[in-house]
Amino acid sequence: EVHLVESGGDLVQPGGSLRLSCAASGFSFSSSWMQWVRRAPGKGLVWVSSINGDGSITSYADSVKGRFTISRDSAKNTLFLQMNSLRAEDTAVYYCVKDSGATVWGQGTMVTVSS
Amino acid sequence: DIVMTQTPLSSPVTLGQPASISCRSSQSLGDSDGKTSVSWLQQRPGQPPRLLIYKTSNRFSGVPDRFSGSGAGTDFTLKISRVEAEDVGVYYCLQATQFPLTFGGGTKVEIK
Repeated sequence: EVHLVESGGDLVQPGGSLRLSCAASGFSFSSSWMQWVRRAPGKGLVWVSSINGDGSITSYADSVKGRFTISRDSAKNTLFLQMNSLRAEDTAVYYCVKDSGATVWGQGTMVTVSS
Repeated sequence: DIVMTQTPLSSPVTLGQPASISCRSSQSLGDSDGKTSVSWLQQRPGQPPRLLIYKTSNRFSGVPDRFSGSGAGTDFTLKISRVEAEDVGVYYCLQATQFPLTFGGGTKVEIK
């Protein structure tokens, strides 16, 4: 069974950093595009970033470009999102998602940016 | 960027009656293999989103056949033939034809 488990969400001050992780199992991780999608409180789903199977292609939403970095470790079947210079508007539940067609979602991890 | 305009914002439905949600893209969608990459997702209260329909009209594994997707070009539709209590939640369309991936604003389905 395909399984995605996010971790790393926390309360952080504006300007701070966090690293989210997503442990994947049950599928060929190194062959799959992966993405991060977020949902702010009371808002809809917003795509954040994507990475291809070997990590050679990445893409970012304009709102996070230059601040967030997506990466992966295929030996550990783990997806990462390094988030720097965090802002209040980054407050959201962050989901790890398999494939560009969004076939499987993790349960999400909450990131709160507040002083 | 491709804008996905989803209507209605809210859809109160009587149990057992049909429901329909529309999504209009700001430009015609269609990827390199000629198949339109539009997905439909359901998010029940307190749960993560779940894929219902991929590539416009294909039901994902385990999705009941009361859910169906259709459309082409810029107009896409999700239909629920007979709404059940477990269908309450927010529904989103998603285009994955080009970056940035973009979602519709969401439609809240609730029981009258």
